[in-house]
Amino acid sequence: QVQLQESGPGLVKPSETLSLTCTVSGGSINSHYWSWIRQPPGKGLEWIGYMSHSGKTDRNPSLKSRATILVDTSKSQFSLMLNSVTAADTAVYYCARHYGDHSGDYYQDSWGQGTLVTVSS
Amino acid sequence: QSGLTQPPSVSGAPGQRVTISCSGASSNIGAPYGVNWYQQLPGTAPTLLIYATTNRPSGVPARFSASRSGTSASLVITGLQAEDEADYYCQSYDNSLGWVFGGGTKLTVL
Repeated sequence: QVQLQESGPGLVKPSETLSLTCTVSGGSINSHYWSWIRQPPGKGLEWIGYMSHSGKTDRNPSLKSRATILVDTSKSQFSLMLNSVTAADTAVYYCARHYGDHSGDYYQDSWGQGTLVTVSS
Repeated sequence: QSGLTQPPSVSGAPGQRVTISCSGASSNIGAPYGVNWYQQLPGTAPTLLIYATTNRPSGVPARFSASRSGTSASLVITGLQAEDEADYYCQSYDNSLGWVFGGGTKLTVL
């Protein structure tokens, strides 16, 4: 059973860059895609983007210019960088495995516990 | 903005049947792309409840089922239990927006 764990600063200043890392254990990062999803306090889920170990990536059009996702296979980690943050980026950030099955269907089958990032001066 | 629309809340008494709808468009559910459903218990991360429109991961009770009709999808919970009280999210792929979630539905067990 693959497990994911987010890590990174819980407080980021406005206009700075939010940086988070997700460590994958119990499974290989060299398959499937790896996603970031966020949830503002009291609100719903928002997909940020994903990347595969081979570099294929896709991002939410509303965040594309600010979000970068990278995969480090040597460390079994993937990361999110979100630049020029504002208070609207305050949210719980989840990493998840974006699993692709043999039928060509995709879904987030394993999630990290989430980490709250607050944007405030 | 979300490409999928869910009712903000639904409720039911223990033992009853409830349905949560997820309304989309021809660019997502109607394309047809698969629909996934997630359950988020209070204070926890979401977990996969239904994948590829109708399939239950191992460990998910048969009380949970789902279907699609045209540009909409539905999650049905039969034999409602207190432990089912949670937020439920539908998800699909959209040709313009990428992966999208519905706004979420809060299920209250009366």
